[in-house]
Amino acid sequence: DGGITQSPKYLFRKEGQNVTLSCEQNLNHDAMYWYRQDPGQGLRLIYYSQIVNDFQKGDIAEGYSVSREKKESFPLTVTSAQKNPTAFYLCASSKGLGGYTFGSGTRLTVV
Amino acid sequence: GIQVEQSPPDLILQEGANSTLRCNFSDSVNNLQWFHQNPWGQLINLFYIPSGTKQNGRLSATTVATERYSLLYISSSQTTDSGVYFCAVAETQGGSEKLVFGKGTKLTVNP
Repeated sequence: DGGITQSPKYLFRKEGQNVTLSCEQNLNHDAMYWYRQDPGQGLRLIYYSQIVNDFQKGDIAEGYSVSREKKESFPLTVTSAQKNPTAFYLCASSKGLGGYTFGSGTRLTVV
Repeated sequence: GIQVEQSPPDLILQEGANSTLRCNFSDSVNNLQWFHQNPWGQLINLFYIPSGTKQNGRLSATTVATERYSLLYISSSQTTDSGVYFCAVAETQGGSEKLVFGKGTKLTVNP
């Protein structure tokens, strides 16, 4: 079955540490997205990519970095510059015209 | 950028009741979607509805694009309908499309 796989489901980060969240899709979608969700809030866009080797900053890109070396993969790195990284992170892909599919998310906690 | 507002923020129902959720958006759109986020965080695409009316079982949605709002109707609610309902609209910039989310309506259906 096609879909999006995010890993890990739970991640704990120490102060000053960089961590990388994985997002893989086998839907052959060109576009991929990373969103952050805080408790009781909607989803806010971190980064997005329409094609391989190209990506754009979203509304809250500071403290995050991404790469898009393969169509199937769009990893997100939460750097030590992100001062409040504890949140739920969702990855999505799209074929356009409403065809958005979301992964099951990664819960990141700073310890 | 485009603004998306949802109401009410919270809704509590008894099983079997009907409800209407509203989404207002600040600019014309050609892509509007409704999502359900279950208690485990998974986002499920309910409707792609830039205009008109669609129905899927006990759920239906109507978008009046000229008046910039969309409504999600839930009839004969069940406890499994609990969760957060998000409205999202697509914003296009420089040929790239991204979804902008409202803050959601948290629905609790009690047995």
